[in-house]
Amino acid sequence: AQSVTQLGSHVSVSEGALVLLRCNYSSSVPPYLFWYVQYPNQGLQLLLKYTTGATLVKGINGFEAEFKKSETSFHLTKPSAHMSDAAEYFCAVTHTGANSKLTFGKGITLSVRP
Amino acid sequence: NAGVMQNPRHLVRRRGQEARLRCSPMKGHSHVYWYRQLPEEGLKFMVYLQKENIIDESGMPKERFSAEFPKEGPSILRIQQVVRGDSAAYFCASSPRPGGSSYEQYFGPGTRLTVT
Repeated sequence: AQSVTQLGSHVSVSEGALVLLRCNYSSSVPPYLFWYVQYPNQGLQLLLKYTTGATLVKGINGFEAEFKKSETSFHLTKPSAHMSDAAEYFCAVTHTGANSKLTFGKGITLSVRP
Repeated sequence: NAGVMQNPRHLVRRRGQEARLRCSPMKGHSHVYWYRQLPEEGLKFMVYLQKENIIDESGMPKERFSAEFPKEGPSILRIQQVVRGDSAAYFCASSPRPGGSSYEQYFGPGTRLTVT
């Protein structure tokens, strides 16, 4: 079975500050990892994904994440927060043989202070 | 290319009524996933369907819930005799095929079900 842990439910940063959202996963097989963003009353939008290859992946809106197998982590970062980044962020995992069904973490709400 | 469509966006039902949620996948996508998001929680997988087939329903409650994806028309998630605990946001996602180099799912805007 797979699982995703997103520690904490809320992160607050100042505009222009570094954004770091943590994600740790558990998987007995090679994982495929995703970060999604959800704005209020909207669906989920894919920020970035790791399937194979380069472990540092870049996504939309200046976000990036690094797959670290030894730490079973896939933390999301952005060098400089913008007010428009305020949203809920979900980390998700799947693997070959799982029919691509996603297992999600509980999500982290990011607030950006002016 | 239109995205994943879900309707209605908001649905209010009284306890004991039936709820029908519809999902039209992206053009060219024949694989549909349903997820449920309860308050303060992440999304939980419910069911995975291809046209006319249920592939994986391991996340579906054993009673009152059913899903279909007919040859023609949208995928339907049906909840019979709704209870207050069914109040949640239900999201549909589609993909062209599972696996491959993408593993990517495209999500609809969700249907927010409120049971009164």
